[in-house]
Amino acid sequence: QSVLTQPPSVSGAPGQRVTISCTGSSSNIGAGYDVHWYQQLPGTAPKLLIYSNSNRPSGVPDRFSGSKSGTSASLAITGLQAEDEADYYCQSYDSSLSGYVFGTGTKVTVL
Amino acid sequence: QVQLQESGPGLVKPSQTLSLTCTVSGGSISSGGYYWSWIRQHPGKGLEWIGYMFHSGSTYYNPSLKSRVTISVDTSKNQFSLKVSSVSAADTAVYYCARDDARGWFDPWGQGTLVTVSS
Repeated sequence: QSVLTQPPSVSGAPGQRVTISCTGSSSNIGAGYDVHWYQQLPGTAPKLLIYSNSNRPSGVPDRFSGSKSGTSASLAITGLQAEDEADYYCQSYDSSLSGYVFGTGTKVTVL
Repeated sequence: QVQLQESGPGLVKPSQTLSLTCTVSGGSISSGGYYWSWIRQHPGKGLEWIGYMFHSGSTYYNPSLKSRVTISVDTSKNQFSLKVSSVSAADTAVYYCARDDARGWFDPWGQGTLVTVSS
């Protein structure tokens, strides 16, 4: 039921910048609902990374940043580190489905 | 610091009811201002929101699961629970409980518990 589309994988060398897109529609991101991002390290629960499009919770490095425009959102990781290797999910609300929706997930690999 | 911990059987037979409990520590469910949610993740797959409840007992469910899901609260134990009826192999997943800030994001999450539906 993933209505938010993400690339299955992205990769980069240590120190590089990678971006993850989250494409929605007029019933979710395009309708003005906020986008939130989660990091899921292998074998662990998801952890809130970015809330309300571009805000970092306390303790999240400023290497992580988020943005939103139109029907899409993006997560950027600058200065990529080995510890950033994880799955990343976007999340929003969908008015057509009347509930919260998650993105398809993106696996970040550090080369 | 609020922490959540799921508990319940790891194996459920097809057609039976899956029951899980989430124990909240470091904060009170009754204090209000938050929704208490269940989310699941099928093996190797993405995340699916199941539903949430407010401390007053009001609930809201994913329409795709609504007919089989019940979320309830026991404020005396600072716990909330999930029941999924008539389960099948498609309900095999890691089930997470999480706090919804009521502004739409989930934080924190429990560690998750794997439930396998099999005879």
